[in-house]
Amino acid sequence: QQPVQSPQAVILREGEDAVINCSSSKALYSVHWYRQKHGEAPVFLMILLKGGEQKGHDKISASFNEKKQQSSLYLTASQLSYSGTYFCGTDYAGGTSYGKLTFGQGTILTVHP
Amino acid sequence: NAGVTQTPKFQVLKTGQSMTLQCAQDMNHEYMSWYRQDPGMGLRLIHYSVGAGITDQGEVPNGYNVSRSTTEDFPLRLLSAAPSQTSVYFCASSHRGLEQFFGPGTRLTVL
Repeated sequence: QQPVQSPQAVILREGEDAVINCSSSKALYSVHWYRQKHGEAPVFLMILLKGGEQKGHDKISASFNEKKQQSSLYLTASQLSYSGTYFCGTDYAGGTSYGKLTFGQGTILTVHP
Repeated sequence: NAGVTQTPKFQVLKTGQSMTLQCAQDMNHEYMSWYRQDPGMGLRLIHYSVGAGITDQGEVPNGYNVSRSTTEDFPLRLLSAAPSQTSVYFCASSHRGLEQFFGPGTRLTVL
């Protein structure tokens, strides 16, 4: 079952913040976040494992709520380079992650000057 | 390191033709996957492998075959192309299913 991302699209001005959510109806082992620019391959942002802590680098961070089976991606002080489509990928395998990911439908983020 | 490479970059087929999409990685990753991406659908897993000689089906395996004889290579075969297989195909590799590295993609059109 495909995880559900919200919102489907968001438009920001440089410097504004955004939150992208990823929800699953099944118990999650891990959540991956990727960004894809038009015509390019997806690029890894971060992974959150069950029982792990909130992750982040630079002005992008994420959390994983195991009770709600939900992950959120936080983008603060957005830059033009943040524009793209953000995907969450969920892994339902227990124990060892097999990387058998089910991806959400994507959230289109547009940052204007 | 070249990372993950895919060939060809573009391909046009006629209905019923067969072909193989090539994927290779030089990072010694055990795990490799094939995804297809259609507009508004995100990425859907076709087949994946956790090591040489071991493959398994993903979400949308019908019409595709894979084999993995070496760690480096993971080709995807279209048996009899159909217009519904028009898509962008991405190959990815990872160490134990963690950070996935994607290839540049193959844009396939079936007429």
